[in-house]
Amino acid sequence: EIVMTQSPATLTVSPGQRATLSCGASLNIGRHLAWYQQKPGQAPRLLIYGASTRATGIPARFSGSGSGTEFTLTISSLQSEDFAVYYCQQYNNWPGLTFGGGTKVEIK
Amino acid sequence: EVQLVQSGAELKKPGESLKISCRGSGYSFSNYWIGWVRQMPGKGLELVGIIYPGDSDTKSSPSFQGQVTISADKSISTAYLQWSSLKASDTAMYYCGRLTPPPYYFDYWGQGTLVTVSS
Repeated sequence: EIVMTQSPATLTVSPGQRATLSCGASLNIGRHLAWYQQKPGQAPRLLIYGASTRATGIPARFSGSGSGTEFTLTISSLQSEDFAVYYCQQYNNWPGLTFGGGTKVEIK
Repeated sequence: EVQLVQSGAELKKPGESLKISCRGSGYSFSNYWIGWVRQMPGKGLELVGIIYPGDSDTKSSPSFQGQVTISADKSISTAYLQWSSLKASDTAMYYCGRLTPPPYYFDYWGQGTLVTVSS
């Protein structure tokens, strides 16, 4: 099983500031990484796939980068609606899809 | 419009059986893998298993093998997650999600089904 590790567990950021979230894989997964956003009481929502491709309707302030074992999700200027939990998921090891533990982005 | 609609919340006692559902619409249900994901209270996402409704090919994550049964009825575009004997530790929100064709990430999600197991 490929273990996905996210850091930090909690990120406290002021509105309008940049947020940088990290995701590490225990093995090389190429660019087979997706990011999801989950708000309280809601299902996850796809943000990024292929490590850096935004899903349909996702604002340009969300960007993904990385390959191999280290990945980053950047939110360039946090809006109020961006405060949520973010998960990464690897899909290189089919069917053993695995998620990271999540990073909670909270308001400073 | 692609939609996945899950059955409603359930309150069950330990030892009882349960089957929850996920109905897809707006796309060819048979041709996309469906995954079930568990989220325990205050915790992260875990893949329970996946099913290809076209031929009911099923794969369970090692942690869940033998604990749940995943099935589908393509004639009514519905996937199921089933327990024969619930435990308190099964208490969680369960989401279904549609997996893209390879390379397999979740592009659409159901709204979730809350399963509470308590005596």
